[in-house]
Amino acid sequence: GAVVSQHPSRVICKSGTSVKIECRSLDFQATTMFWYRQFPKQSLMLMATSNEGSKATYEQGVEKDKFLINHASLTLSTLTVTSAHPEDSSFYICSAREEFRSYEQYFGPGTRLTVT
Amino acid sequence: EDQVTQSPEALRLQEGESSSLNCSYTVSGLRGLFWYRQDPGKGPEFLFTLYSAGEEKEKERLKATLTKKESFLHITAPKPEDSATYLCAVRAFDSGYALNFGKGTSLLVTP
Repeated sequence: GAVVSQHPSRVICKSGTSVKIECRSLDFQATTMFWYRQFPKQSLMLMATSNEGSKATYEQGVEKDKFLINHASLTLSTLTVTSAHPEDSSFYICSAREEFRSYEQYFGPGTRLTVT
Repeated sequence: EDQVTQSPEALRLQEGESSSLNCSYTVSGLRGLFWYRQDPGKGPEFLFTLYSAGEEKEKERLKATLTKKESFLHITAPKPEDSATYLCAVRAFDSGYALNFGKGTSLLVTP
């Protein structure tokens, strides 16, 4: 149980284009989903928290107009990187929290984004 | 400001050589300390949650302990398949459900 998937696992895009990453909870309802970014040999940095049906809460320094988050259902959240630039290249990981397993977060396998 | 510091950054062990990883934390009010395992190019895999000083949890060759200032992840008789990066994270009372991660300890277990 508590499986989270991400799609795509890898994506390469050209500078200036937009990329959408999907995060799905496969066997539970995720009331809250989180988006993290991880640079090589660095820790996970929280970008934003999203609750189903409401606007995401972004961490300080994260541009909300650049990283669009939509949590439209209890099993799906999407992160869209708009007008991507090479410095946006990173490993993006989502996690999900189940309503009745209040403290554990279950992570997806991550999406490697490369902007050329 | 909440801080999570893990040491060592990297650790190399011979198969069967037990050791411990450290996670020191500073947080306004601890709501939970989490250990995750992360393999290269993968998302973190949940291992343990500890809530209060004195608490211990075990899973196979791993045992996590918690004090008021730090947590240890003890690895007993490790095997090569235990090689991974081990991440520690804390959740504070004033941070909602968000986790603050340390940089991790990269563990390599050689045969």
